[in-house]
Amino acid sequence: QVQLVESGGGVVQPGRSLRLSCEVSGFIFSNFAMHWVRQAPGKGLEWVAVISYDGTKRYYADSVKGRFTLSRDNSKNMMYLQMNSLRTEDTAVYYCVRPPVQFTDAFDMWGQGTMVTVSS
Amino acid sequence: SYELTQPPSVSVSPGQTARITCSGDALPKQYTYWYQQRPGQAPVLLIYKDAERPSGIPERFSASTSGTTVTLTISGVQAEDEADYYCQSADSSGIYRLVFGGGTKLTVL
Repeated sequence: QVQLVESGGGVVQPGRSLRLSCEVSGFIFSNFAMHWVRQAPGKGLEWVAVISYDGTKRYYADSVKGRFTLSRDNSKNMMYLQMNSLRTEDTAVYYCVRPPVQFTDAFDMWGQGTMVTVSS
Repeated sequence: SYELTQPPSVSVSPGQTARITCSGDALPKQYTYWYQQRPGQAPVLLIYKDAERPSGIPERFSASTSGTTVTLTISGVQAEDEADYYCQSADSSGIYRLVFGGGTKLTVL
């Protein structure tokens, strides 16, 4: 079955960096664009970024543009989110998400999430 | 930046019909999607492309559009439907940006 497993979360000081990973299984990873979505404690959902199936196109939310970088390794079924210059407002659960089969701009299969806490 | 507006909360009694609205200027031009999130769980896709239901989603969940407002309707609400509901769509300004509404807490009285 489809599985998405995030890792790499933790507690980090403002201004520092963190790299999140997402390992997938149960589907042909190289056929799908992939997203990150985050949710601050007690708050709503926020789309963070998307990477095309082949890694050539990436788009980011304004709130993370210039600080976060998305990449993928289709040979390893892995996706990565490099987060630099972290701010307290980046504190959230980060979900790795696969879109539905037929289209890209929605969220179908979700990981369990990894918590990132930015605090001094 | 583009925003989708939802009511913070909706309350209904079991067996009644709940309606959750989502408003946004670009909704007539972009598809809308709906998600259910129960406490401590990842969201679940309820509705895609405005009104389609993925397999496994009960028929009591439906959606409709009218101009710049889309409505999620839950007929015959059950206790298990108590959750947060989010609409989601895309910016139509030419910039790739996906947007969620602020979420609506459905309380089953």
